[in-house]
Amino acid sequence: EIVLTQSPGTLSLSPGERATLSCRASQSVTSSDLAWYQQKPGQAPRLLIYGASSRATGIPDRFSGSGSGTDFTLTISRLEPEDFAVYYCQQYGSSPRTFGQGTKVEIK
Amino acid sequence: EVQLLESGGGLVQPGGSLRLSCAGSGFAFNIYTLSWVRQAPGKGLEWVSAITGNGGATNYADSVKGRFTISRDNSKDTLWLQLSSLRAEDTAVYYCTKTQGTSFGPFDYWGQGTLVTVSS
Repeated sequence: EIVLTQSPGTLSLSPGERATLSCRASQSVTSSDLAWYQQKPGQAPRLLIYGASSRATGIPDRFSGSGSGTDFTLTISRLEPEDFAVYYCQQYGSSPRTFGQGTKVEIK
Repeated sequence: EVQLLESGGGLVQPGGSLRLSCAGSGFAFNIYTLSWVRQAPGKGLEWVSAITGNGGATNYADSVKGRFTISRDNSKDTLWLQLSSLRAEDTAVYYCTKTQGTSFGPFDYWGQGTLVTVSS
């Protein structure tokens, strides 16, 4: 099983600032089969990024993903008020599909 | 518009059973792999089980193997998860998800979730 470790656990930032979230895998992720999701309180997660760097439909271009192998990054270039949420990475290239434990982006 | 609508959650005693349903609409239901993902209160996401479009292949997380059964009826655009031998640690919101591709892939659509509470 591939274990995904996200850091930091909590990121305290102000609107307009840049957010950089990390996801590290315990072994190489197949074909960059890595996704990022956003979850707000009381809501289901929403797909942001797949294939490590492709934005899902309707996702603003301030969200970008990068990385390969075992190290992946989600960057939010300029935080909008609606971006404060919890973010999860997930690998879907091998079974079981696994998620990271999440990074909370909170308002400073 | 793609929609996934779960139902069937509720309060059940340890050792009990429950069947969750997920009704899909707005997409070619019989083509896509569907999965269940759960989230314990205040915790992260855990993939539970998946089934291919034709129902021919299923897989499960080790934590539920032998206790949960995933199935689907493509004539009714419905997915199910049969939960048996329930434990307190199965308490969670259960989400129905659609895979972006026809087999492996990210989860591009999620239902709103249904809460299962296992308690005496």
